[in-house]
Amino acid sequence: AQSVTQLGSHVSVSEGALVLLRCNYSSSVPPYLFWYVQYPNQGLQLLLKYTSAATLVKGINGFEAEFKKSETSFHLTKPSAHMSDAAEYFCAVSDLSGNTPLVFGKGTRLSVIA
Amino acid sequence: EPEVTQTPSHQVTQMGQEVILRCVPISNHLYFYWYRQILGQKVEFLVSFYNNEISEKSEIFDDQFSVERPDGSNFTLKIRSTKLEDSAMYFCASTSRGQGKLDIQYFGAGTRLSVL
Repeated sequence: AQSVTQLGSHVSVSEGALVLLRCNYSSSVPPYLFWYVQYPNQGLQLLLKYTSAATLVKGINGFEAEFKKSETSFHLTKPSAHMSDAAEYFCAVSDLSGNTPLVFGKGTRLSVIA
Repeated sequence: EPEVTQTPSHQVTQMGQEVILRCVPISNHLYFYWYRQILGQKVEFLVSFYNNEISEKSEIFDDQFSVERPDGSNFTLKIRSTKLEDSAMYFCASTSRGQGKLDIQYFGAGTRLSVL
């Protein structure tokens, strides 16, 4: 069985500061890992994905995440927060069989303070 | 850019009533999904649908739930007799590929269901 834990339901950063959103996963098989973002009144939009190629994955809007097998982590970072980054962020995992259901974390709400 | 469309955005219903949540997946997609998120909890998988039949379902997806693709564009989730605990945000998603190859799940904006 797979699971995802996102530490911190709410993270607040100042504009221009580093963004770090934590995600730890549990999987009995090599995982695919995803970060999705949800802006107010919109659907879940894919930020980036890890599919066993490079361990450092770059996504849209300047976000990146590093897969660390030894730590079972896939933390999301951005060097400099922008006001437009304020949203809900979800980490998700699926197995390698393709098109299987995603298992999500609880989500982390990111607030950016001017 | 193609998108998954869900209607209504907010549905209010009385306990015991039937509700139908509607989704229009991206037109060339083959796999369809429903997820839900109870307030403050995780997004949870309900059911996946491929080739006009359920391919996988979770333990949440009991006999009160059903899915249908009544025509070439819509994908619906029906709850026959709603309970208070069905109050949640329901997300529809779709992917373009068939089995054996990872593809990205594209999500709709969700329908917030409030059961009174």
